[in-house]
Amino acid sequence: GENVEQHPSTLSVQEGDSAVIKCTYSDSASNYFPWYKQELGKRPQLIIDIRSNVGEKKDQRIAVTLNKTAKHFSLHITETQPEDSAVYFCAAREFNKFYFGSGTKLNVKP
Amino acid sequence: GAVVSQHPSWVICKSGTSVKIECRSLDFQATTMFWYRQFPKQSLMLMATSNEGSKATYEQGVEKDKFLINHASLTLSTLTVTSAHPEDSSFYICSARPGAPDTQYFGPGTRLTVL
Repeated sequence: GENVEQHPSTLSVQEGDSAVIKCTYSDSASNYFPWYKQELGKRPQLIIDIRSNVGEKKDQRIAVTLNKTAKHFSLHITETQPEDSAVYFCAAREFNKFYFGSGTKLNVKP
Repeated sequence: GAVVSQHPSWVICKSGTSVKIECRSLDFQATTMFWYRQFPKQSLMLMATSNEGSKATYEQGVEKDKFLINHASLTLSTLTVTSAHPEDSSFYICSARPGAPDTQYFGPGTRLTVL
């Protein structure tokens, strides 16, 4: 099956700074890459996604980039706010299944 | 729209008993439902994929006789943890996918504690 690796495991930034989380995947058949935000004890919430035929997608302060050749994709959060603090997961869909990265705990310091 | 519920939200049981967790898509029909397990401070691990009316597909290393999955209708899937042991204690999350191929919607999760 697909193998998704995510870095860093923890990330601490000052409010207003940017945060970048990176993921790699192993199977070139994967064609959809969502990012989820999970607060403690709650369900993962989709924050942005990208399909394999697109190189970049942006939604306000959040953007995702995809490099199919290198099999890596990244989440970019600009102008971070304390409410952005959470665990972020990347995922890759291989055929009908989703495989998740190990998660990044983002701490935005006010 | 696209609401997925799970019941119960938490359960404590004795070792050796069985526990059933329900996952419902409330406002859409889910052709596929997924069951994940999440350990504290860890990622979501896909356990099995469930399609309505057919047998679930289990990921490698997941015991199908231990984790029974039934997807009897387009809005309901159940996970039964049979003969539960303390090592089965975990956060179990389901997700449901409607006809659109890309999106999955997560349930709120069920915290299982086996004493």
